[in-house]
Amino acid sequence: NAGVMQNPRHLVRRRGQEARLRCSPMKGHSHVYWYRQLPEEGLKFMVYLQKENIIDESGMPKERFSAEFPKEGPSILRIQQVVRGDSAAYFCASSTQGGNTEAFFGQGTRLTVV
Amino acid sequence: AQSVTQLDSQVPVFEEAPVELRCNYSSSVSVYLFWYVQYPNQGLQLLLKYLSGSTLVKGINGFEAEFNKSQTSFHLRKPSVHISDTAEYFCAARYNFNKFYFGSGTKLNVKP
Repeated sequence: NAGVMQNPRHLVRRRGQEARLRCSPMKGHSHVYWYRQLPEEGLKFMVYLQKENIIDESGMPKERFSAEFPKEGPSILRIQQVVRGDSAAYFCASSTQGGNTEAFFGQGTRLTVV
Repeated sequence: AQSVTQLDSQVPVFEEAPVELRCNYSSSVSVYLFWYVQYPNQGLQLLLKYLSGSTLVKGINGFEAEFNKSQTSFHLRKPSVHISDTAEYFCAARYNFNKFYFGSGTKLNVKP
């Protein structure tokens, strides 16, 4: 049973380009979470999605960031017109619907904006 | 508002000594608690979880944690640490079937 798969593991973008980060949840998991981790900082919640629905996006910056979790295919975190401050590790986690279950994490995508 | 607080950002300890990493959460009727470990350039791996029942929870790698409802704490302990335990540890809480809230992390540095 494959775990949470994130790709790419490393992504380099020039300022102004778009970054697309993909996350395939574990089989049977319908909930996806995205977190950002800056150097020497903890995990910052960004967005919580179920299939075709955004449940909580209170941690998403108002501009340039968007996320989706379509009926088919992986969840996508999209960052438009990247800036140097977007450089960070982005982690995806997934869980089942029940509240008494843990989140399983991917290995992360390390975004570097040059 | 729900929150998780890790009181120590860094904990240095000598090998084979005991360690406690502290975590407090905001009180709620329904809360599930977790400890995760992150090794450099890796994702987070679950150490242990408290869902219900016994307040003492045992996890992998010899770690355990105690759920204390009156003090709203969920401290992580290990009686004897190894060099390989050097990592960052995150406490997390899930309230009412909602998202996971994470603490800011504690870096455990085990010295020989």
